[in-house]
Amino acid sequence: EVVLTQSPGTLSLSAGEGATLSCRASQTISNSYLAWYQQKPGQAPRLLIYGASRRAIGIPDRFSGSGSGTDFTLTISTLEPEDFAVYYCQQYDRSSLTFGGGTKVEIK
Amino acid sequence: QVQLVQSGAEVKKPGASVTVSCKTSGYIFTSYHIHWVRQAPGQGLEWMGMINPNDGGTIYTQNLPGRVTMTRDKSTSTVYMELSSLRSEDTAVYYCARGNGWYCLDNWGQGTLLTVSS
Repeated sequence: EVVLTQSPGTLSLSAGEGATLSCRASQTISNSYLAWYQQKPGQAPRLLIYGASRRAIGIPDRFSGSGSGTDFTLTISTLEPEDFAVYYCQQYDRSSLTFGGGTKVEIK
Repeated sequence: QVQLVQSGAEVKKPGASVTVSCKTSGYIFTSYHIHWVRQAPGQGLEWMGMINPNDGGTIYTQNLPGRVTMTRDKSTSTVYMELSSLRSEDTAVYYCARGNGWYCLDNWGQGTLLTVSS
């Protein structure tokens, strides 16, 4: 099973700043099968990025994804108040999905 | 629009079984897999498995050996997830989600809270 490790665990930032979230896989995964989600308290996760770098429908362009192999990054160029949430990466490999442990982006 | 509507909260005793439903609409039911993901209180997301509504084929996580069963009803575009031999550690919010060709989950149900307590 592919293990995804997200860092940092918590990111304390102010609105207007940029955020860089990391997701590292225990083995090489296909770019096609790396996704990022945002989850706010009491809500279901929302798909942000799929295929490592493709924005889902309706996702603002301040969200971008990059990376390949074992190292992937979610970048939020300028944090808006509604962006403070928990972010998860997810991969698919050999008929199994796994999620990272999440990065909480909190207001500083 | 795509919608996944789940059944309501459940309270069960240890050793019992529970079935959660996920009624879909707004797209062709047989064209997309449905996945189940759970989230224990204050914890991260855990994938449980998926079902192909077209042929009923399933793939389950190895972390729940023999305890999870997913089925579907084409006539009502509904997917079911049964979890048996419940224990307190199964207390969580259970989500169904639509999987697309990129093996990501593009639409989610609202979640169903399962509480397992004696």
